[in-house]
Amino acid sequence: GDSVTQMEGPVTLSEEAFLTINCTYTATGYPSLFWYVQYPGEGLQLLLKATKADDKGSNKGFEATYRKETTSFHLEKGSVQVSDSAVYFCALRSRGSQGNLIFGKGTKLSVKP
Amino acid sequence: DAGVIQSPRHEVTEMGQEVTLRCKPISGHDYLFWYRQTMMRGLELLIYFNNNVPIDDSGMPEDRFSAKMPNASFSTLKIQPSEPRDSAVYFCASSKQGFANEKLFFGSGTQLSVL
Repeated sequence: GDSVTQMEGPVTLSEEAFLTINCTYTATGYPSLFWYVQYPGEGLQLLLKATKADDKGSNKGFEATYRKETTSFHLEKGSVQVSDSAVYFCALRSRGSQGNLIFGKGTKLSVKP
Repeated sequence: DAGVIQSPRHEVTEMGQEVTLRCKPISGHDYLFWYRQTMMRGLELLIYFNNNVPIDDSGMPEDRFSAKMPNASFSTLKIQPSEPRDSAVYFCASSKQGFANEKLFFGSGTQLSVL
């Protein structure tokens, strides 16, 4: 079945460091891909998305590019801030899934000042 | 828009007791999802509804778990009897129309502790 694999955390970075969180997927067809972020004590919220190959999703300085050839959707940010400390989830939704999102296990990011 | 509203925010109960978690989706959303989050297993989909009808409950772990959606603005997840291994954060989420690129809106979750 469809699945998402993302790098294990936790990831600890200093402020202004470069961030990459790897995500690869397995799916039939061409799913839509998402990154969700969960701040402490809150529910998940959509960070960015891409719906077809070579699309780049971006938001709040974060970017991810839908790479069909490598089945990847890595999350990047050029300069992280303390406020970016959160858990990041990669997710996919297959077009025939009637709405079901499949999530990776999440990667916890801690940014130190 | 108030977002997805879950209650209670925290629930502490003893093993064997019945637990009921509640969710009010965003008005106009016709998909509702229940997820469970644990350190070991991450986010797991338990069940989801479309237009108040359960579509896929294959993620419900056991018969002790049941979910209902009596109308478009309310859903419950019930655990009876509860066990310590049910301790987790339970999230409710909703979305429109279920299109592949529609995002889910999550509530703040219910932190359940079964002693």
